[in-house]
Amino acid sequence: QVQLVESGGGVVKPGRSLRLSCEASGFDFSAYAMHWVRQAPGKGLEWVAIISIDGRNNFYRDSVKGRFTISRDNSKNTMYLQMNSLRVEDSGLYYCARDELGDVWGQGTLVTVSS
Amino acid sequence: EIVLTQSPATLPASPGERVTLSCRASQSLSSTLAWYQQRPGQPPRLLIYYTSTRATGVPARFSGSGSGTDFTLTINSLQSEDFAVYYCQQYHSWPRTFGQGTRVDI
Repeated sequence: QVQLVESGGGVVKPGRSLRLSCEASGFDFSAYAMHWVRQAPGKGLEWVAIISIDGRNNFYRDSVKGRFTISRDNSKNTMYLQMNSLRVEDSGLYYCARDELGDVWGQGTLVTVSS
Repeated sequence: EIVLTQSPATLPASPGERVTLSCRASQSLSSTLAWYQQRPGQPPRLLIYYTSTRATGVPARFSGSGSGTDFTLTINSLQSEDFAVYYCQQYHSWPRTFGQGTRVDI
């Protein structure tokens, strides 16, 4: 079945790095743009970044520009989010979502940035 | 950045009722607005896109309307599984933005 599975979350200190992965299955991954969306505990949804089907076009929210890098490997059906210089306010559940409209979502991976 | 303001923040309701949720944008979106449902402990689920088109598998009791800056999600005959948080999202411009959510509560 169509599925997205995130991994790579964890507890890190401010200023450190993490790389999140989103593995897709059950559909033609290379035919879809993909997003990352995050949600701080008890808070609303916040769009983070999007990557085009071939990985050549990306957009980020201002607060992560220059620190986060979205990428994908279509041969591995996997999208990544490299997060550098992490801040406390980056903490939350990170979801990957399929397509511009987010018609399929993963269960999320939890990132906690704390000293 | 386009700001989406949802109202009310919390909407008390009862099963069988009809409820209307509002989403107002800080600038015109044309029709590029989507609605998502999020139940506790679950990821968001796409309900409506392009203002009024139901996503695959979404029951007909959910409907969307509006244009420009004012949009509405209507849920007819609330079912127990509809008690959740609802978010609007614009895909008119970057960055994509969500409203702060409306909780539909018993």
